[in-house]
Amino acid sequence: AQKITQTQPGMFVQEKEAVTLDCTYDTSDPSYGLFWYKQPSSGEMIFLIYQGSYDQQNATEGRYSLNFQKARKSANLVISASQLGDSAMYFCAMREGGGGFKTIFGAGTRLFVKA
Amino acid sequence: DTGVSQDPRHKITKRGQNVTFRCDPISEHNRLYWYRQTLGQGPEFLTYFQNEAQLEKSRLLSDRFSAERPKGSFSTLEIQRTEQGDSAMYLCASSLRGASGGARDTQYFGPGTRLTVL
Repeated sequence: AQKITQTQPGMFVQEKEAVTLDCTYDTSDPSYGLFWYKQPSSGEMIFLIYQGSYDQQNATEGRYSLNFQKARKSANLVISASQLGDSAMYFCAMREGGGGFKTIFGAGTRLFVKA
Repeated sequence: DTGVSQDPRHKITKRGQNVTFRCDPISEHNRLYWYRQTLGQGPEFLTYFQNEAQLEKSRLLSDRFSAERPKGSFSTLEIQRTEQGDSAMYLCASSLRGASGGARDTQYFGPGTRLTVL
């Protein structure tokens, strides 16, 4: 069965520093996709970055990069040069590619960026 | 604005009443999802439409819940005989089935409807 685990309920980072948010997953499907979403206090989920299970390189989108370690089943999000506006909830999610349509989300990590 | 929209943004109702929420996806998207999110948790999948066909339903979607997408465009989620446990944020998302299919399905979310059942 699919499972996403985010073990950090809350994280603090100093403005302009980098931070890593952890995500581990479990699936028996060799084809799957991993996503990170940001949810600010306004409530809307904002797509940040995607990594496919067959992608050879780690995904990057601006200040966001995904540290994908397939053997360890981890997909950590790295945010470089943190900004005050990065303070939000961050969710890791997974979708299997074997024909199902369900995407499952982790419990989230709340990031606090300090000035 | 061409993003996903949801209406209403907030709904307060009394236990036992019926409520209906609407979701308008991004216009060219053929996939539509409903999720429920309770405080401090990630979204939980409820149901999925491809065009007008409802292809998957979670066990979380009891008989009191029904969703439709009559013409493959907007969707409605109805909750009958609401209970206090139904209080949550209901999120809608849409995506476009790409040529690659499979796991790459970037979903774009609406702002959600926050339901409070008194």
